[in-house]
Amino acid sequence: DAKTTQPNSMESNEEEPVHLPCNHSTISGTDYIHWYRQLPSQGPEYVIHGLTSNVNNRMASLAIAEDRKSSTLILHRATLRDAAVYYCILRDRTGNQFYFGTGTSLTVIP
Amino acid sequence: KAGVTQTPRYLIKTRGQQVTLSCSPISGHRSVSWYQQTPGQGLQFLFEYFSETQRNKGNFPGRFSGRQFSNSRSEMNVSTLELGDSALYLCASRFQGAYEQYFGPGTRLTVT
Repeated sequence: DAKTTQPNSMESNEEEPVHLPCNHSTISGTDYIHWYRQLPSQGPEYVIHGLTSNVNNRMASLAIAEDRKSSTLILHRATLRDAAVYYCILRDRTGNQFYFGTGTSLTVIP
Repeated sequence: KAGVTQTPRYLIKTRGQQVTLSCSPISGHRSVSWYQQTPGQGLQFLFEYFSETQRNKGNFPGRFSGRQFSNSRSEMNVSTLELGDSALYLCASRFQGAYEQYFGPGTRLTVT
């Protein structure tokens, strides 16, 4: 199964943009890239997903490299409520499994 | 709309015992997945059920099993508990074919 690699932790100042990187060098052509985040003492929540093109939604933007071997989750203005563990996940379009890595713990500094 | 609910929220068991955890998905969601979360291994996929059938299974021993009922509620069972089974067990539901999963708050299992 394809795997993802993320930094263990990152810090950001409040109201500044945050770029969370993810490497997935073994991605296959049918794998979607998903991002979830987990706030303290809660289950993970969906953030965004994409296949090839960059994606935007109300929570974040997803920038996908042209070769799809890496992607970046962009939070445009970090708030204290964005402090969480962010998971980058690959999911096969034909499969039903989500394989989470260990994620990136984001600290937002006031 | 009510979210995914899991019961119980906390549980303490002794080695060798068995445990059953319950998950009620969001209304209309027929797919239910289970995950184990530990500090060392992170989030690991256990299995997924759809329409009372197990569709996928992760790399866990046979002591971990599950089932789904006709109303889409799901249970997972762990027999012969080991200390290493102490974890947060998360349940997630989604519409068939949808990409977005909705997670419950989890059941914190402690094995002593």
